[in-house]
Amino acid sequence: QVQLVQSGAEMKKPGASVKVSCKASGYTFTGYYLHWVRQAPGQGLEWMGWINPQSGVTDYAQTFQGRVTMTRDTSISTAYMEMSRLRSDDTAVYYCTTLLAVDAFDIWGQGTVVTVSS
Amino acid sequence: DIQMTQSPSSLSASVGDRVTITCRASQSISSSVNWYQQRPGKAPKLLIYTASSLQSGVPSRFRGSGSGREFTLTISSLQPEDFATYYCQQSYISETFGQGTKLEI
Repeated sequence: QVQLVQSGAEMKKPGASVKVSCKASGYTFTGYYLHWVRQAPGQGLEWMGWINPQSGVTDYAQTFQGRVTMTRDTSISTAYMEMSRLRSDDTAVYYCTTLLAVDAFDIWGQGTVVTVSS
Repeated sequence: DIQMTQSPSSLSASVGDRVTITCRASQSISSSVNWYQQRPGKAPKLLIYTASSLQSGVPSRFRGSGSGREFTLTISSLQPEDFATYYCQQSYISETFGQGTKLEI
């Protein structure tokens, strides 16, 4: 079945980097843009950016430009989101999501908890 | 950037009630609004896309409407499983979410 499966929880120190993976299955990975959304504890949803898995072209929200890098490995249908210079306020659940059947985020990964603490 | 202002931020209701959540965009965004439901500890779930289209598998008690700058999500008869947080999202220019509406008993 169609699914996005993300990597496990991460605990990082301030200033470090984190790389979260999102493996797609059940559909043509290169056919659909892959987005990342995060949610800080008790807060709302924040869009981070997207990657075109076919071309590798990316677009990042202004908030994250310079600190986030989205990549993909088409051979294993996996997208990655790497964030550098982590701060405590980057503590959040990070989701990957895609627009498969309709023009909205209809498929979501299960989320990856990233905790930034000294 | 397009801002999405969602109201109310929280709402108390009972099973069987009809509730309406509103989202206002900072500029006209045609019908490029989607609505999501999120239960605690879970990923968001798509309910409504392009303002008024019901996602497959979503009960018909959920209805979306609006265009331009103002959009609404209406739940016609609340069920116990509907108590959750709801988000609007615009996809007209880039992507932006509203701040959420927590629907509580």
